[in-house]
Amino acid sequence: NAGVMQNPRHLVRRRGQEARLRCSPMKGHSHVYWYRQLPEEGLKFMVYLQKENIIDESGMPKERFSAEFPKEGPSILRIQQVVRGDSAAYFCASSPEQPYSNQPQHFGDGTRLSIL
Amino acid sequence: LAKTTQPISMDSYEGQEVNITCSHNNIATNDYITWYQQFPSQGPRFIIQGYKTKVTNEVASLFIPADRKSSTLSLPRVSLSDTAVYYCLVGSQAAGNKLTFGGGTRVLVKP
Repeated sequence: NAGVMQNPRHLVRRRGQEARLRCSPMKGHSHVYWYRQLPEEGLKFMVYLQKENIIDESGMPKERFSAEFPKEGPSILRIQQVVRGDSAAYFCASSPEQPYSNQPQHFGDGTRLSIL
Repeated sequence: LAKTTQPISMDSYEGQEVNITCSHNNIATNDYITWYQQFPSQGPRFIIQGYKTKVTNEVASLFIPADRKSSTLSLPRVSLSDTAVYYCLVGSQAAGNKLTFGGGTRVLVKP
């Protein structure tokens, strides 16, 4: 998974606090995706972003969750007023610029969010 | 998005060949078949991708019959470090395509 960097690797928050997860895509990649994985399950798509634009957020809860991918800096997944059910592993993936290319998404090693 | 069905788990021994078959009966004309490997506490790692017939790389082979309704990932001579969950995904790899992961196949390699 070299290339896609996520931090922190582990994050502990108390109920009601905010969680910020960061993702730096691979060099040359301008498409970023966020996924959530619960224990013993596959990854579930949350949101797809390009620089400064949210393209598809169909998998993201309507409340408390937001994502951004600014012109400069990493992509941020933000969870406000966290609840126990937000405990999960959050993975970021990136893919290259060219549309319709058959380049696979490359994943980071995730942020494990634990809510106390 | 085409749905995939694969075995929940498989056991094998070091040095054996492991074959995991994935069913995808409603695969679309422009869909590719992609396999990822995931170790505990890590993100999915791309293994191989194919459209038809056979694809081989340094890690695995992918066999796809003519009707493309199934595919088989073949891992030659597995080692203990190949113990992982393997996911079969079907879809277009176009930028912006969201991946749909099923439950995957848990492969346990025994000594």
